[in-house]
Amino acid sequence: GQQLNQSPQSMFIQEGEDVSMNCTSSSIFNTWLWYKQDPGEGPVLLIALYKAGELTSNGRLTAQFGITRKDSFLNISASIPSDVGIYFCAGPDLSGGSNYKLTFGKGTLLTVNP
Amino acid sequence: KAGVTQTPRYLIKTRGQQVTLSCSPISGHRSVSWYQQTPGQGLQFLFEYFSETQRNKGNFPGRFSGRQFSNSRSEMNVSTLELGDSALYLCASSFGLAGGGWETQYFGPGTRLLVL
Repeated sequence: GQQLNQSPQSMFIQEGEDVSMNCTSSSIFNTWLWYKQDPGEGPVLLIALYKAGELTSNGRLTAQFGITRKDSFLNISASIPSDVGIYFCAGPDLSGGSNYKLTFGKGTLLTVNP
Repeated sequence: KAGVTQTPRYLIKTRGQQVTLSCSPISGHRSVSWYQQTPGQGLQFLFEYFSETQRNKGNFPGRFSGRQFSNSRSEMNVSTLELGDSALYLCASSFGLAGGGWETQYFGPGTRLLVL
């Protein structure tokens, strides 16, 4: 199946700083997804990207679908304490022929120091 | 509307036992997917059910099975539990009618299983 390499694994930043994380794959994805997981909860979808080169924002979050369709980036501007959590990239696993089988990156653990 | 609910939220079992986890999807959703989340392997797809039929399957041994009822509620079962089965089991629901596209899947809070 397809694999996603997400970096960095963890980040420790000061409140107000900007954050960048990225995800790469050796194979093409037609859809890129970014999720956030809070402790004790399931992942929540933040942004969905459907087209190569697409740049989409959701409040202070901005994500881009790489032109090669093998990477994606998530930026968080002016971080606040509630941004703490694990951020995952994900995409439908086309090798399985299904949009309901998601492949996830290993996640980026974000800690924000007030 | 109510979100995806999973029961129980926490479970402790011993090796060799079996366990059944339940997932109630959002009203109107007919697709339910299951994922296993561990610190080492991350989130891994188990299977997906739609209209009481398994539509997709991940790379897990046959000890992992599931089913879906006519009201779209789903259960997953793990038989002969091993220590490595300790994980957070998440289910996600969606309408299930994406065809060639993709539709948002909504995750439940998960069931945390500890195998001793």
